[in-house]
Amino acid sequence: QSVLTQPPSVSGAPGQRVTISCTGSSSNIGAGYDVHWYQQLPGRAPRLLIYGNSNRPSGVPDRFSGSKSGTSASLAITGLQAEDEADYYCQSYDSSLSGPGVFGGGTKLTVL
Amino acid sequence: EVQLVESGGGLVQPGRSLRLSCAASGFTFDDYAMHWVRQAPGKGLEWVSGLSWDSGTIAYADSVRGRFTISRDNARNSLYLQMNSLRAEDTALYYCAKVLKTSFWYYAMDVWGQGTTVTVSS
Repeated sequence: QSVLTQPPSVSGAPGQRVTISCTGSSSNIGAGYDVHWYQQLPGRAPRLLIYGNSNRPSGVPDRFSGSKSGTSASLAITGLQAEDEADYYCQSYDSSLSGPGVFGGGTKLTVL
Repeated sequence: EVQLVESGGGLVQPGRSLRLSCAASGFTFDDYAMHWVRQAPGKGLEWVSGLSWDSGTIAYADSVRGRFTISRDNARNSLYLQMNSLRAEDTALYYCAKVLKTSFWYYAMDVWGQGTTVTVSS
């Protein structure tokens, strides 16, 4: 049971917009710690999509965007493409844990 | 090319030990914190352990503290994970990962290896 809660699955048709939420608490996201997002294609290593809540590394399409408010963060994907079908994870830091690294449980995105 | 290559995984009996290695290339290894992240079969990502560039800050997940030891050799551009008293629940694909920014020991991880598989079973 992760301290960062993500919906197990989301879906959307090609061209549509989907959002994935990441809900935390006052000891992680709500404490001001940054949220980062990863995409994991089947059988592949995770790929950094968003860092520092809303920044894209070079090479990541601007169809991907991130935001944060209060104790939650969101990843938005616009112009959905078949190749976006993957698992998505949020990551942050939790000050209440002696082992402070935390990932969300992951969200499976299905492109219909 | 920036690259991380893990090795050392395998099949091991419960209670035994294993040492994972991660060879880094293409970047200044001793500028960056490094981490181990694992993924059990069919499950999500779990942060395992991390250490700062100079090993001055080290942390472990509760699930491995006291059994696993992380270390690095900056002269050899290598990261290690010594895993003792292994349990069935440690079965996973183990990734090493590089932190994006030099000024943080824990932050976004921008470079990942392909992982090495650890299976704990009798």
